[in-house]
Amino acid sequence: LAKTTQPISMDSYEGQEVNITCSHNNIATNDYITWYQQFPSQGPRFIIQGYKTKVTNEVASLFIPADRKSSTLSLPRVSLSDTAVYYCLVGARGKLIFGTGTRLQVFP
Amino acid sequence: DVKVTQSSRYLVKRTGEKVFLECVQDMDHENMFWYRQDPGLGLRLIYFSYDVKMKEKGDIPEGYSVSREKKERFSLILESASTNQTSMYLCAGRDRQNPYEQYFGPGTRLTVT
Repeated sequence: LAKTTQPISMDSYEGQEVNITCSHNNIATNDYITWYQQFPSQGPRFIIQGYKTKVTNEVASLFIPADRKSSTLSLPRVSLSDTAVYYCLVGARGKLIFGTGTRLQVFP
Repeated sequence: DVKVTQSSRYLVKRTGEKVFLECVQDMDHENMFWYRQDPGLGLRLIYFSYDVKMKEKGDIPEGYSVSREKKERFSLILESASTNQTSMYLCAGRDRQNPYEQYFGPGTRLTVT
């Protein structure tokens, strides 16, 4: 299973766009890229997934370059409620491997 | 609204006790998972189940067992609790339609003294 590397923490202010990049150099052909969000005292919540190029939903956008060795989760105009830990996962059908994630702190 | 519920939010047990953590999902999901989450280590998979009465070991199964007698219920069992099993335990369900989207319960914070 491909290992992922993402920043341990990031700070931002309300209203800013936040980009969290994840590297996954050993991604396999069948692997998808998935992002989860976790608030304190809650289980993780699925945000978005993609295979290549760009995916957008009501919560976030996911940018994946052609070589797929990295991906960027983009959160537009963050608010205080976006303070959470964000996990990047890479894998094929079956097991998901959660790393330690990126702790995003949004300040007023 | 999909729901995964766990029997307790907080639990305190003594070393050597047998501990049952219960998880129930109302989404008719075939697949269910048990993770533990520890500071600095992220979420680690203990066991998962693809269907009733089927189970597979995850990355850290030692000291744990599971039971899946009904589709909606997946139980994690600590045969003889130890202090190094003090952790947050998270249960999740997954639909066969999207294998990447898991629905998590609120977690059970277990303390073994």
